[in-house]
Amino acid sequence: GAVVSQHPSRVICKSGTSVKIECRSLDFQATTMFWYRQFPKQSLMLMATSNEGSKATYEQGVEKDKFLINHASLTLSTLTVTSAHPEDSSFYICSATRTSGGETQYFGPGTRLLVL
Amino acid sequence: SQKIEQNSEALNIQEGKTATLTCNYTNYSPAYLQWYRQDPGRGPVFLLLIRENEKEKRKERLKVTFDTTLKQSLFHITASQPADSATYLCALGTNQGGKLIFGQGTELSVKP
Repeated sequence: GAVVSQHPSRVICKSGTSVKIECRSLDFQATTMFWYRQFPKQSLMLMATSNEGSKATYEQGVEKDKFLINHASLTLSTLTVTSAHPEDSSFYICSATRTSGGETQYFGPGTRLLVL
Repeated sequence: SQKIEQNSEALNIQEGKTATLTCNYTNYSPAYLQWYRQDPGRGPVFLLLIRENEKEKRKERLKVTFDTTLKQSLFHITASQPADSATYLCALGTNQGGKLIFGQGTELSVKP
């Protein structure tokens, strides 16, 4: 158990457009989901913590108006990159923790975003 | 400021040997530490969690130690196999909100 999916797995878009990435927990409920970005050969950088039914908590330096997060249900969180620019190109990964408890984060397979 | 450092160089070992990866941290008091495996282009996969009051944890060929005095965790893979080749990430967590802070990872290569 504890499977997390992301969609799409890869996306290419033009500069100025918006891109939505979905993160779903397939076989468990997740009150809390996390969004990370990762540049090549670098570590995962936490962008925001998403809690079901409430506003996301963003890390310092992450623009909340640019990276919109919605966590409308216990199995789905979405990240929308608004007015994307080439510097937003990265690998975006979500993770989820079980509502039933536990500190383990279960990660999705990631979404590769390329902004032209 | 908080800092997490893993083996700075990639680690190359021969099949069958024990791989030892290091995770050091400063200016941080974690409640627990986790190790993850990440393959290229994929999300991390959870391996082991060790709490601040635990010295050692084992799971099959994996062993993790946690020394809160030295502020260090060691991750061992015994009888290593080429399939163990991947990047291994350590992550520190507190009991507040479940956030994790990740190290930069160590790339392990096991040669047959």
